[in-house]
Amino acid sequence: AQKITQTQPGMFVQEKEAVTLDCTYDTSDQSYGLFWYKQPSSGEMIFLIYQGSYDEQNATEGRYSLNFQKARKSANLVISASQLGDSAMYFCAMREWLTGGGNKLTFGTGTQLKVEL
Amino acid sequence: DTEVTQTPKHLVMGMTNKKSLKCEQHMGHRAMYWYKQKAKKPPELMFVYSYEKLSINESVPSRFSPECPNSSLLNLHLHALQPEDSALYLCASSTNEGGVNTEAFFGQGTRLTVV
Repeated sequence: AQKITQTQPGMFVQEKEAVTLDCTYDTSDQSYGLFWYKQPSSGEMIFLIYQGSYDEQNATEGRYSLNFQKARKSANLVISASQLGDSAMYFCAMREWLTGGGNKLTFGTGTQLKVEL
Repeated sequence: DTEVTQTPKHLVMGMTNKKSLKCEQHMGHRAMYWYKQKAKKPPELMFVYSYEKLSINESVPSRFSPECPNSSLLNLHLHALQPEDSALYLCASSTNEGGVNTEAFFGQGTRLTVV
């Protein structure tokens, strides 16, 4: 079974500063995918970034980067130059491919990020 | 078009009502999903449809009945719900190919309140 752990229920960051959101995972699979999603108060889950288990480079997407440390089983999200619009719930998730087709995302408990002036 | 559209956005229903949630995508995705999210909790998978066939039912009570009429539409029929079923219901879609970056695209969700 796959497990995702996010140990930071809430985080505060000053506008324009960088922030790291922690995520550790546990799986017996050799091949897996890790995702970060942002969920504003409106409810939509917005895809941010993806890291494959065999990717040698850390993933980056604009102001988002993923600090992937495979041996430590961690996949921390780094947001640079924080903006007020970054205030939201952030979920780390692991993908499991299903034999019948499609996939299942297992989510961590989330980190509520608040960006302050 | 990278959108998943869910209707309605809000729904209040009584325990004896029958209602349906609707989800539509036009990205050509052949896998579609229903997730349930209780307040301050992460989403949890309910159902998976792959090529319009139900492939996963995560032990969901029969008062929730999914339907996939075609490759673009996904419905969730609700009947005789309980107040504890109040939650945000998220629809998602993705490709079915393995080995690639196939993120799931989510809709904005339907906030359901059962009274």
